Amino acid sequence: EAQVTQNPRYLITVTGKKLTVTCSQNMNHEYMSWYRQDPGLGLRQIYYSMNVEVTDKGDVPEGYKVSRKEKRNFPLILESPSPNQTSLYFCASSYLIGQGTRELFFGEGSRLTVL
Amino acid sequence: SQQGEEDPQALSIQEGENATMNCSYKTSINNLQWYRQNSGRGLVHLILIRSNEREKHSGRLRVTLDTSKKSSSLLITASRAADTASYFCAKDAGNMLTFGGGTRLMVKP
Repeated sequence: EAQVTQNPRYLITVTGKKLTVTCSQNMNHEYMSWYRQDPGLGLRQIYYSMNVEVTDKGDVPEGYKVSRKEKRNFPLILESPSPNQTSLYFCASSYLIGQGTRELFFGEGSRLTVL
Repeated sequence: SQQGEEDPQALSIQEGENATMNCSYKTSINNLQWYRQNSGRGLVHLILIRSNEREKHSGRLRVTLDTSKKSSSLLITASRAADTASYFCAKDAGNMLTFGGGTRLMVKP
């Protein structure tokens, strides 16, 4: 089954304790991206990757890191989480089709609470 | 940054009625997409309309795009209780797909 898998789905942590949210896709997609969703703010892009070893900042990259060492994986790293990073996080992936045309496949989300 | 802005923010209708949601944007796009999100779940792609298209249909969904007004609309006909969800437009203007704040649709049985 084609899917984007995120882990953990739920996490409560404390300020400053490094954490990683993993994302893996089994569709051989070139493009992967991380979004955060907050009430009233919609989805905002954190980082994206066009292919292996190619990553770029989205709208809200501060406080986050990513890496793309393999095509299927795109982990999101919070080196020193703060309460304002409490949010619902989504990983998404797609093929690169034509001139940037793409349909995103989303994971089920990771709800992170930073105390 | 560029964003699609959906209107209305919330919509409540009776089953069987049509639901119309609108999306506006500020700069040129390659295509515009609509997604659906059930409460707290991942988004699911519904339909994509390219910048050179004016209207597209998929089942009970009808999407229009007016590039001169920089706006799009999503029409769900003969709505069902199962259509209750949030609906987002997303603009593809290059390397980034940017989302608006969404429309929360409630369809009452």
